[in-house]
Amino acid sequence: DAGITQSPRYKITETGRQVTLMCHQTWSHSYMFWYRQDLGHGLRLIYYSAAADITDKGEVPDGYVVSRSKTENFPLTLESATRSQTSVYFCASSEGGVRSNQPQHFGDGTRLSIL
Amino acid sequence: EDQVTQSPEALRLQEGESSSLNCSYTVSGLRGLFWYRQDPGKGPEFLFTLYSAGEEKEKERLKATLTKKESFLHITAPKPEDSATYLCAVRPTDSWGKLQFGAGTQVVVTP
Repeated sequence: DAGITQSPRYKITETGRQVTLMCHQTWSHSYMFWYRQDLGHGLRLIYYSAAADITDKGEVPDGYVVSRSKTENFPLTLESATRSQTSVYFCASSEGGVRSNQPQHFGDGTRLSIL
Repeated sequence: EDQVTQSPEALRLQEGESSSLNCSYTVSGLRGLFWYRQDPGKGPEFLFTLYSAGEEKEKERLKATLTKKESFLHITAPKPEDSATYLCAVRPTDSWGKLQFGAGTQVVVTP
């Protein structure tokens, strides 16, 4: 089925470990986004990408790394996980163009717990 | 700094009891305002985009309106299946495609 898929849906890891969250979309959307959602903070943008090989920081980028070698994939890596990165992570995509006003479409999230 | 504030934080309604959710925003220029619905364990689902003051959009029991400072999401004669968290987001004119989200309003509709 077309859409945006995230994997894994659930992940438990330990502090200091590296963990990568995957995001794949089948719409060929230019823009992709990573958010974290925490109680009391709502959705906060971590990183975004306008196209393959073009990425930029959002509101809370520290401790995260992204890459986008192919249009359809946008993995998010926590290089050395900390407990403060325990959260629900959402990937989103939207059609491109700087002047585009298309909505973002979201995956169902990855629930990450760091012990 | 761009800000989006939603109220109330939570709303409990009887089935059929209409109500409104508020989204107030502060941006230098607004390119669009978006409403999403989020069910537990799921990602936000797009509902509406509003572009200019005075605009209205409707979908089933939901109606969204926009002024220069705020947006309202009216829920008319809600049913239990309307229970969800409703998120508001703004896209400022200089945002390069990004959205600024509010914290959401959790709506529970009881039979």
